[in-house]
Amino acid sequence: EAQVTQNPRYLITVTGKKLTVTCSQNMNHEYMSWYRQDPGLGLRQIYYSMNVEVTDKGDVPEGYKVSRKEKRNFPLILESPSPNQTSLYFCASSLEQADPYGYTFGSGTRLTVV
Amino acid sequence: KQEVTQIPAALSVPEGENLVLNCSFTDSAIYNLQWFRQDPGKGLTSLLLIQSSQREQTSGRLNASLDKSSGRSTLYIAASQPGDSATYLCAVDSARGSTLGRLYFGRGTQLTVWP
Repeated sequence: EAQVTQNPRYLITVTGKKLTVTCSQNMNHEYMSWYRQDPGLGLRQIYYSMNVEVTDKGDVPEGYKVSRKEKRNFPLILESPSPNQTSLYFCASSLEQADPYGYTFGSGTRLTVV
Repeated sequence: KQEVTQIPAALSVPEGENLVLNCSFTDSAIYNLQWFRQDPGKGLTSLLLIQSSQREQTSGRLNASLDKSSGRSTLYIAASQPGDSATYLCAVDSARGSTLGRLYFGRGTQLTVWP
């Protein structure tokens, strides 16, 4: 089944403790991106990647890092999480940037930073 | 910067009603517009995608239209059912060079269909 898989689904951590949220797709998609969803603000793009070793900032990149060493994987790294990064995170992928056939989203990761 | 607005923010209707959800966007430079459904605490399920050259798409009881020049889209749900209760999100895919491929989302319409 074609899908985007995120792990973990739920995560509670403490301020300053480095964490990684993984994202993997099995559709050979070139374009992958991360979004966060906050009440009253909607979904906003954090980072995106057009292909292996090609990444760039979205609208809200502060406090996050990403890497794209393999085509299928696009992990989101929080080096020193803070409470304002408590949010629902989604990974998405598409065949190419601005794909006319749209995006596939993962099931989300709910992160709480205390 | 692209801004996407969805009206109404919330809607509560009895089963069987035909519904219209509205979405407007400020920048007509888009590749496509996608409607998603989100159940509480869950991921996004793609419902319909309209490419910028298209006017509408249909899937079962759902019909979405796009008027790119006026920056508007509507999602029509026929004969609503309690299982349709969810938040519906509209997203446009930017065609601007600096934000190419970025999705801009509205804040959603929270729909409740009661029996």
